[in-house]
Amino acid sequence: AQSVTQLGSHVSVSEGALVLLRCNYSSSVPPYLFWYVQYPNQGLQLLLKYTSAATLVKGINGFEAEFKKSETSFHLTKPSAHMSDAAEYFCAVEEGSQGNLIFGKGTKLSVKP
Amino acid sequence: KAGVTQTPRYLIKTRGQQVTLSCSPISGHRSVSWYQQTPGQGLQFLFEYFSETQRNKGNFPGRFSGRQFSNSRSEMNVSTLELGDSALYLCASSSEPGLQYYEQYFGPGTRLTVT
Repeated sequence: AQSVTQLGSHVSVSEGALVLLRCNYSSSVPPYLFWYVQYPNQGLQLLLKYTSAATLVKGINGFEAEFKKSETSFHLTKPSAHMSDAAEYFCAVEEGSQGNLIFGKGTKLSVKP
Repeated sequence: KAGVTQTPRYLIKTRGQQVTLSCSPISGHRSVSWYQQTPGQGLQFLFEYFSETQRNKGNFPGRFSGRQFSNSRSEMNVSTLELGDSALYLCASSSEPGLQYYEQYFGPGTRLTVT
């Protein structure tokens, strides 16, 4: 069965620094991978979705993620962090014949001024 | 364009009762999916409906069921409530699955407390 690992439950970066949030999936190449963001006391938002059309996926708010099959990874990056990026980020993969969506445990991103 | 609407926003139920939650998607979206979020288990996928048919399903017991109507509105039902069902239930509306340009929007959630 598929599993999703997000390395680091908390990540802290300085404003203007690179944001790198790590996500690894466990087994066979999933059809779809996702990154979601949840701002404090707000709902979930879809950041981006990988559909095999391209390995580098651009999302909203300047985020992008690269699918690397050899590393079973789908890490999320942003070149320059803003204070407004402080939130919790979730990676998810779709698996199995039932199309179950498996979420990682989330990474809380803090941005220091 | 109006966002995803979930009703009710807050609900308190007693163990053993049943509950029905409602979700109205964004106009034009035919796919609705449901999620449970708890501090202990995190985010978990319940199911997805597209054009009134269940398309994808998570690993929840049969007490959790859903349906979608011809106007794309969806309901989720939980029977024989357990204390562990206390959670934030999120609904999302999305464009047709598989499209290269894919959009998905979440509702504010229904906070269910089971006592």
